[in-house]
Amino acid sequence: EPEVTQTPSHQVTQMGQEVILRCVPISNHLYFYWYRQILGQKVEFLVSFYNNEISEKSEIFDDQFSVERPDGSNFTLKIRSTKLEDSAMYFCASSAQGAKGETQYFGPGTRLLVL
Amino acid sequence: KQEVTQIPAALSVPEGENLVLNCSFTDSAIYNLQWFRQDPGKGLTSLLLIQSSQREQTSGRLNASLDKSSGRSTLYIAASQPGDSATYLCAASGNTPLVFGKGTRLSVIA
Repeated sequence: EPEVTQTPSHQVTQMGQEVILRCVPISNHLYFYWYRQILGQKVEFLVSFYNNEISEKSEIFDDQFSVERPDGSNFTLKIRSTKLEDSAMYFCASSAQGAKGETQYFGPGTRLLVL
Repeated sequence: KQEVTQIPAALSVPEGENLVLNCSFTDSAIYNLQWFRQDPGKGLTSLLLIQSSQREQTSGRLNASLDKSSGRSTLYIAASQPGDSATYLCAASGNTPLVFGKGTRLSVIA
């Protein structure tokens, strides 16, 4: 069964460093998402992406964050200058036709720890 | 702004018991309601999705219901097993992407 994959599974970085989290969505899906979950808190929406551009973003997704689909398979989340409060589990998700009324399939997550 | 609440926050039951997990949402203008399972330190596994026009969905021992007018959904687990131990999340999809509840942490004791 096709699945969303994410790399790395764990990342430790120093405050102020740049990190890139990578995702390979399900191959025939067109909509991609990033969510994050700070330890002990709710899963929160960050950004959705369709047709090579951001379709929606939350107030969390500020200028420190960017997303890119550099090739036909990868979808990346970049955090330019990490802060302690960026420590969280980051989930990538994809759906075939869009968020409204359709199942989103989630990857296993990348646990980011900023020291 | 959509808010999703799950009660109880944690639940411990003996193996074999039937149980109900509750989810409530403040904005009834949803497209669907999705239930997920999350094992410790792991990703989210989709269990059931109920479209706004549906009242329930079933998959094996799981049954999810949706009452849009009252802003409630329930996940019923029949004949619980230790392998069902996990955190169960509900998420509402409306004019904004998925809004999650905090989850119910379920422990099924053998």
